[in-house]
Amino acid sequence: DAGVIQSPRHEVTEMGQEVTLRCKPISGHDYLFWYRQTMMRGLELLIYFNNNVPIDDSGMPEDRFSAKMPNASFSTLKIQPSEPRDSAVYFCASRLGTAPGELFFGEGSRLTVL
Amino acid sequence: SQQGEEDPQALSIQEGENATMNCSYKTSINNLQWYRQNSGRGLVHLILIRSNEREKHSGRLRVTLDTSKKSSSLLITASRAADTASYFCATVQGSTLTFGKGTMLLVSP
Repeated sequence: DAGVIQSPRHEVTEMGQEVTLRCKPISGHDYLFWYRQTMMRGLELLIYFNNNVPIDDSGMPEDRFSAKMPNASFSTLKIQPSEPRDSAVYFCASRLGTAPGELFFGEGSRLTVL
Repeated sequence: SQQGEEDPQALSIQEGENATMNCSYKTSINNLQWYRQNSGRGLVHLILIRSNEREKHSGRLRVTLDTSKKSSSLLITASRAADTASYFCATVQGSTLTFGKGTMLLVSP
């Protein structure tokens, strides 16, 4: 299995630009999570999906952030417009609902907003 | 907000020594998990301990859980330089995992 695949691995953009991060979960996993990691705040849960349906987006910092999961094998996290404080590593993770909770993480997308 | 808080924030030891990391949390949990993160990489699951378990072993890893004190510890025995990484505890409530800020472990040859 290829594991959770995220792209891009690195993104450098200027303030005000739109950023789209992509994630392909492990085949057969029915839960997908987006986390953000910074030195100051650690790992924060942004949103999670179950069977492609957003369940809890209370961690999404503001309206500039949006996430979609159009099908079981693809999810996007979009930031529009981006700001310097959005600079962080964004992780996607998936798991199988019948498992006791082990998450499988992608390698992350490091975002730098100038 | 952080549910688990690891202690210490950083730990430096020599190869062959044991490393102990602690995690405290605030609310009731279904289970508690430990993850490892190498620099620039994603998190990797190490071990899971259920709320009705007190101790669990996996290779050189030993995890304990004290639900009355809302705390857990991760012991890595006979450490190796390759164990150098950040270690995170994560508490499970319902469908979600909440992570602490981690302990950075440096194992020197």
